[in-house]
Amino acid sequence: RKEVEQDPGPFNVPEGATVAFNCTYSNSASQSFFWYRQDCRKEPKLLMSVYSSGNEDGRFTAQLNRASQYISLLIRDSKLSDSATYLCASGEAGTALIFGKGTTLSVSS
Amino acid sequence: DAGVIQSPRHEVTEMGQEVTLRCKPISGHNSLFWYRQTMMRGLELLIYFNNNVPIDDSGMPEDRFSAKMPNASFSTLKIQPSEPRDSAVYFCASSRTGMTKNIQYFGAGTRLSVL
Repeated sequence: RKEVEQDPGPFNVPEGATVAFNCTYSNSASQSFFWYRQDCRKEPKLLMSVYSSGNEDGRFTAQLNRASQYISLLIRDSKLSDSATYLCASGEAGTALIFGKGTTLSVSS
Repeated sequence: DAGVIQSPRHEVTEMGQEVTLRCKPISGHNSLFWYRQTMMRGLELLIYFNNNVPIDDSGMPEDRFSAKMPNASFSTLKIQPSEPRDSAVYFCASSRTGMTKNIQYFGAGTRLSVL
């Protein structure tokens, strides 16, 4: 069975902290990897794609480790507005994505 | 640009009634996905279509659930008869499959309550 596993948290951090989430996937044939953000009672929205070489978007850094089959998301200088649930997803080319259950982040002042 | 459009946004119905959820994918996208999200099970794939053809319906819970995509701009998910355990948020998503990165874009969801 193809699965994506995440630590549900919650991660409670103060503003300005650095926080990291990991996610493991079971399907070694996966070729696409993403982090989505979901706010309470809203739909998931793409945060960033994850590339083999790693990629950075402002305060967010995503990395992929194919050998160990995990992806990570690092958030630096956390803001109150970063409070949300972060879903990782993986999939084979041209097929549906499999999502983890999400990791909840709460940033406090 | 319009995103994925779902209707209704909220649906409250009684056990045994038929429920129909609707989805309009992003124009130009050729893949459409139906998901169900609950606290216990997270975001589960129910079924997906490529070019209007159902590809994988292994996530459909049972025969009470059916989905159709009569054309590239419309899909329905029907539950008949509905049961209280069907209460969840149902999301539709679309993507442009055929490219290396199959980024999926989600609609706002339909929050279903079966009493």
